Amino acid sequence: DAGITQSPRHKVTETGTPVTLRCHQTENHRYMYWYRQDPGHGLRLIHYSYGVKDTDKGEVSDGYSVSRSKTEDFLLTLESATSSQTSVYFCAISAPRGALNTEAFFGQGTRLTVV
Amino acid sequence: AQKVTQAQTEISVVEKEDVTLDCVYETRDTTYYLFWYKQPPSGELVFLIRRNSFDEQNEISGRYSWNFQKSTSSFNFTITASQVVDSAVYFCALSEARVDNNDMRFGAGTRLTVKP
Repeated sequence: DAGITQSPRHKVTETGTPVTLRCHQTENHRYMYWYRQDPGHGLRLIHYSYGVKDTDKGEVSDGYSVSRSKTEDFLLTLESATSSQTSVYFCAISAPRGALNTEAFFGQGTRLTVV
Repeated sequence: AQKVTQAQTEISVVEKEDVTLDCVYETRDTTYYLFWYKQPPSGELVFLIRRNSFDEQNEISGRYSWNFQKSTSSFNFTITASQVVDSAVYFCALSEARVDNNDMRFGAGTRLTVKP
């Protein structure tokens, strides 16, 4: 199994509070991603990173920010959580040794509930 | 823009039946990659296969087979002699060849239920 750890695994938070989810990898993969999974939508890309301090927006980036200060860590922050951000969040990694378009490996997911 | 459509939201079969999951994609690129993932009830995402756009050869792995047809922009997945353990949500995904963006665009998924 790819070494990807997401924390926390479950979180309940109140509307308007900031929330940070962490993704940690031990595989030294170049690319890291944050997806959210919602019924009827599959997985949708929030933000991705193609290197340390190199990040860009995905399909559903509004209300989210990310940071990658080290190869192994990719943080997703909800600045002010809303109920529409209740979802399951998956971190993924890909591209070992700079290879392109390799398959992505996913973390276990974080179930976030905003009340 | 890239898009993946899995028109079958849910499929239910009886054990030992064959089942085909459809995947249709859209892309303007000539170089791209297609993937299938399985999400069992436990929730993790399991990689099944990766195929590049220049390789139209069908692939078989045990009871699983994949049919890639560029002419119809389809990458369908067949499970032969289905088993209860095949019950899961299956996702098809597309990735375009970009140096600075390696992301995958997923379909909405097909929930397969295999009844004993």
